[in-house]
Amino acid sequence: DIQMTQSPSLLSASVGDRVTLSCKASQNIYKYLNWYQQKLGEAPKLLIYYTNSLQTGIPSRFSGSGSGTDYTLTISSLQPEDVATYFCQQYNSWLTFGSGTKLEIK
Amino acid sequence: QVQLKESGPGLVQPSETLSLTCTVSGFSLTSYGVNWVRQPPGKGLEWMGTIWNDGSTDYNSALKSRLSISRDTSKSQVFLKMNSLQTEDTAIYLCARVLTYYGYNYFDYWGQGVMVTVSS
Repeated sequence: DIQMTQSPSLLSASVGDRVTLSCKASQNIYKYLNWYQQKLGEAPKLLIYYTNSLQTGIPSRFSGSGSGTDYTLTISSLQPEDVATYFCQQYNSWLTFGSGTKLEIK
Repeated sequence: QVQLKESGPGLVQPSETLSLTCTVSGFSLTSYGVNWVRQPPGKGLEWMGTIWNDGSTDYNSALKSRLSISRDTSKSQVFLKMNSLQTEDTAIYLCARVLTYYGYNYFDYWGQGVMVTVSS
C-alpha cells in the first residue's frame, strides 16, 4: 500500500503569509494527487485535483505542485477563512489519504 | 443540486454489524460512483470502498473481509455493511461522489457524515 506523509502536522502562520504544506508518497504516484480542505465540523472539500488543477470555485490563492513522490499545496496569502485541516490523497494505487496538516492563524 | 446524505444507527454493539445508507440526489448512480470514507474522532480519513457506476466494487484491503457495499439505483441509495465491529471502528462515516475521467479521480461532493459509536 502507498503511504502518504504530510508535514508539518500543525502549522501556525499569520494572515497574509505564504504557506506551504507538504505531502510525500512512499512511492512514485505520477501526479495522481488531490488536496482537500476540512473545516471543523464540516465534510472535506476538494481544492486541487491531479496535483495542480484548481477545482471550480476555489480561490486562486490556492495552488498545487509536485511530481514523483513529493507534492506541495501553497496558499499565496493566508486568509482567516483558510483555518482548516488539509489532506492529500493519492489515487495511483487504490486510494490513500495523508494524516493531515492543521493550519491555524498565529 | 447534488446532495448526499448518510443515515444509520449512532450506536452499535461490539461484534455486531453496521448498516449505513447514503441517499443521493441530483445525479444518477448509473453515471457516477460513490465511495465510503471514515474518520475516527480527531484523526485522518480512511478510504473504505467504492461502488462504481456499473455496480462493480473495490474495497480497502484492510477492511475487505468485513465490508460490503451495494446499491439500489431505483431508490438512489448506496449501502454499507460491515461486520464484527470493534471499538476502533468508532468514527464518522461519510459517503462521497467520485468523478473519474481522463486520468482524474476525485471526490467532488460529500455528505455531512454520520457518527457511529461502537460500545456496549
